[in-house]
Amino acid sequence: QVQLVESGGGLVKPGGSLRLSCAASGFTFSDYYMSWIRQAPGKGLEWVSYISSSGSTIYYADSVKGRFTISRDNAKNSLYLQMNSLRAEDTAVYYCARASRGYSDYWGQGTLVTVSS
Amino acid sequence: AIRMTQSPSSFSASTGDRVTITCRASQGISSYLAWYQQKPGKAPKLLIYAASTLQSGVPSRFSGSGSGTDFTLTISCLQSEDFATYYCQQYYSYLRTFGQGTKVEIK
Repeated sequence: QVQLVESGGGLVKPGGSLRLSCAASGFTFSDYYMSWIRQAPGKGLEWVSYISSSGSTIYYADSVKGRFTISRDNAKNSLYLQMNSLRAEDTAVYYCARASRGYSDYWGQGTLVTVSS
Repeated sequence: AIRMTQSPSSFSASTGDRVTITCRASQGISSYLAWYQQKPGKAPKLLIYAASTLQSGVPSRFSGSGSGTDFTLTISCLQSEDFATYYCQQYYSYLRTFGQGTKVEIK
């Protein structure tokens, strides 16, 4: 069965960096686009970024462009999100999701990122 | 970016009710629309994609319709497990966007 397991969340000071990972199993990872989606506490869903199956096509939300970098390692069945210059407003649960033709058909359980001094 | 607006933001309903949630896009998105259900503390779950195609395993009481700018999610006979927050999402634009969510509460 499809499984997505995020890790790497935690408490970080404003201006700091964090790298999230997502381990995928149960499907051919290299065949799928993948996304990061976040949800601030008590708020709605916000799409963050997605990456094509080969990694050649990447898009970011304007709110994170220039600060976050999405990447993947198909040999390791893993998705990553490097987050730099973190701000309080980046505090959220970050989900990785399998992108099937544009929509997200499987989601991980999420990892909490808290940006606070 | 394409703005997605859901209505209402929240409402109360009873088990057995027929409920409808609306999602409006700020520009035409053809049928590139998905609906998700989220329960507290859980990841969202895909219900419908391509505006009206039911994801495998989703009960048939859920249905979606619409194209262009106006879409609806209908639950034909609300069950206790359906009390949750629902989100629409467009994937017409490479900058994906979600609606703000509609919370369905128990009356």
